[in-house]
Amino acid sequence: QKEVEQNSGPLSVPEGAIASLNCTYSDRGSQSFFWYRQYSGKSPELIMSIYSNGDKEDGRFTAQLNKASQYVSLLIRDSQPSDSATYLCAVIVLGAGGFKTIFGAGTRLFVKA
Amino acid sequence: DVKVTQSSRYLVKRTGEKVFLECVQDMDHENMFWYRQDPGLGLRLIYFSYDVKMKEKGDIPEGYSVSREKKERFSLILESASTNQTSMYLCASSLSRDRGQFFGPGTRLTVL
Repeated sequence: QKEVEQNSGPLSVPEGAIASLNCTYSDRGSQSFFWYRQYSGKSPELIMSIYSNGDKEDGRFTAQLNKASQYVSLLIRDSQPSDSATYLCAVIVLGAGGFKTIFGAGTRLFVKA
Repeated sequence: DVKVTQSSRYLVKRTGEKVFLECVQDMDHENMFWYRQDPGLGLRLIYFSYDVKMKEKGDIPEGYSVSREKKERFSLILESASTNQTSMYLCASSLSRDRGQFFGPGTRLTVL
């Protein structure tokens, strides 16, 4: 079982709709959770961080964390074609060697104009 | 804003050459990381450093070494480049190891 799992997509949504991206993780001791956006040919960009259960909103983005169910999601409201990118979920776990970041393989999002 | 810069966007080298990739961050971050990213394989950690002159192996350190002589600079060295090291190399930094990372623009290395 992969430590951080994401549906590879592509997830296709019409412009103006809500895009919902999901991520599950296997380590119950995971500490911190992040979403990165990566445009084709570019490097990942940190867009959301969430550390406790519940929702965190930043503009059109909402991150949701449910530690009991071991999932974290990203909602993008009023999706725009410029949101078309790969979204990487990342989880920080505490192991014998200290904190370690584990990245998911990413979900490709396509927003149709 | 955090700024992470990498010495080259594109690099072409020959098999057997020694290759230096440099990364500089301007936010006084303790931690710096080197990844490579390949289609279908995602981000893979090569090395990281949590302090000056300190380094730790990541998941795929073979064929690579690193140097961190100053806090803001983290270098990745390919001692003898091989074709299977053709990849996108990404540097990142973070304030602490339990926080998010800020990535540089990446270096696309081609080894012929």
